[in-house]
Amino acid sequence: DAKTTQPPSMDCAEGRAANLPCNHSTISGNEYVYWYRQIHSQGPQYIIHGLKNNETNEMASLIITEDRKSSTLILPHATLRDTAVYYCIARGGGNEKLTFGTGTRLTIIP
Amino acid sequence: GAVVSQHPSWVICKSGTSVKIECRSLDFQATTMFWYRQFPKQSLMLMATSNEGSKATYEQGVEKDKFLINHASLTLSTLTVTSAHPEDSSFYICSARDAGRQTGAPQHFGDGTRLSIL
Repeated sequence: DAKTTQPPSMDCAEGRAANLPCNHSTISGNEYVYWYRQIHSQGPQYIIHGLKNNETNEMASLIITEDRKSSTLILPHATLRDTAVYYCIARGGGNEKLTFGTGTRLTIIP
Repeated sequence: GAVVSQHPSWVICKSGTSVKIECRSLDFQATTMFWYRQFPKQSLMLMATSNEGSKATYEQGVEKDKFLINHASLTLSTLTVTSAHPEDSSFYICSARDAGRQTGAPQHFGDGTRLSIL
């Protein structure tokens, strides 16, 4: 797995867009970028993933730079329930294991 | 879709007993499942990869005789913590990926099992 780097913590005001960055400068051509989040005492929840194109689903948007060395997860209208630890993982697209870093602790401020 | 269920959600046992945790893929088949452990305020650490019909692959430092893994069907993997001691108390989480999905399809996680050994 390519190593990923995320800021340890971020705050965001409720109702605003939360933009979470991830650096993966050593990502290889067949590695996807996956985002998960973990709310306290629960298993990680899948959010979104992409290879090279930007992606959007009902939860978030994923913006991947053209050189694929970094990406940004966007939660368009953050709510208090989005407070969690967010993990960015770069990995091949098959049954490879996921390696979790320390993630970004996102706190949504009322 | 892509639901992974773990049972039990939490368990409290006396030291020396063995505890079995089940991980089921409810609406898909999984040839491979993964078992993680998470200590308080730490990230998830992969313990082992469970392979249907064959032996599990353990990460370095994980005792295979302590943590027995069985993956007897395409929808069920079990982790048995044998002769559990207080230091085995932790949050155990499994994950699985739909074997029928295209390349890149994500893994999905269970809600975890909180194990407390007294």
